[in-house]
Amino acid sequence: DAKTTQPPSMDCAEGRAANLPCNHSTISGNEYVYWYRQIHSQGPQYIIHGLKNNETNEMASLIITEDRKSSTLILPHATLRDTAVYYCIVRPRTSYGKLTFGQGTILTVHP
Amino acid sequence: DADVTQTPRNRITKTGKRIMLECSQTKGHDRMYWYRQDPGLGLRLIYYSFDVKDINKGEISDGYSVSRQAQAKFSLSLESAIPNQTALYFCATSDPAGRMDTGELFFGEGSRLTVL
Repeated sequence: DAKTTQPPSMDCAEGRAANLPCNHSTISGNEYVYWYRQIHSQGPQYIIHGLKNNETNEMASLIITEDRKSSTLILPHATLRDTAVYYCIVRPRTSYGKLTFGQGTILTVHP
Repeated sequence: DADVTQTPRNRITKTGKRIMLECSQTKGHDRMYWYRQDPGLGLRLIYYSFDVKDINKGEISDGYSVSRQAQAKFSLSLESAIPNQTALYFCATSDPAGRMDTGELFFGEGSRLTVL
């Protein structure tokens, strides 16, 4: 699976958009980008995934660059409850649920 | 009630003891997983199972064994616990909707194990 690079930490003001970057320059054509988050040692929570088109759901938006070498997770109106570790994961659709978690980005949302 | 339940949530044990962590799910998913998380690190896959007859090793299976007793139950055992197995353990499930796994895993709340 392609490796990912994320900043170790980021800050965001409550109510503002949080933009979390992820570099995956070695991504191959059949690999998807997934985002999960983990709130204070709870089980990780799925957020969103995409292949090459931008995706949006009730939690977040995922913007993938045209060359697919990087992506950005956007939380449009961050709240204090969004403080968590965010993991960007790249994996083939056919890896049957196996996910390789890196160290992620610690997002801290401030009042 | 949680869809994926892990027991015990916390356990302290001594080196050499046998420990079992249990996971049960009400989601009706065929696929179940055990992950381990160490402080400051991401999650690492220990074992995974696609159905009751299918067990596969993950990246760090040494020192661990598993049992898939039923579709809904997947247990992780440490036959002889050692201190470097002190970690937070997570069970997860997934559902290969339409035979294509979407990659969405559903995690339990975790079992914190301390081996003295």
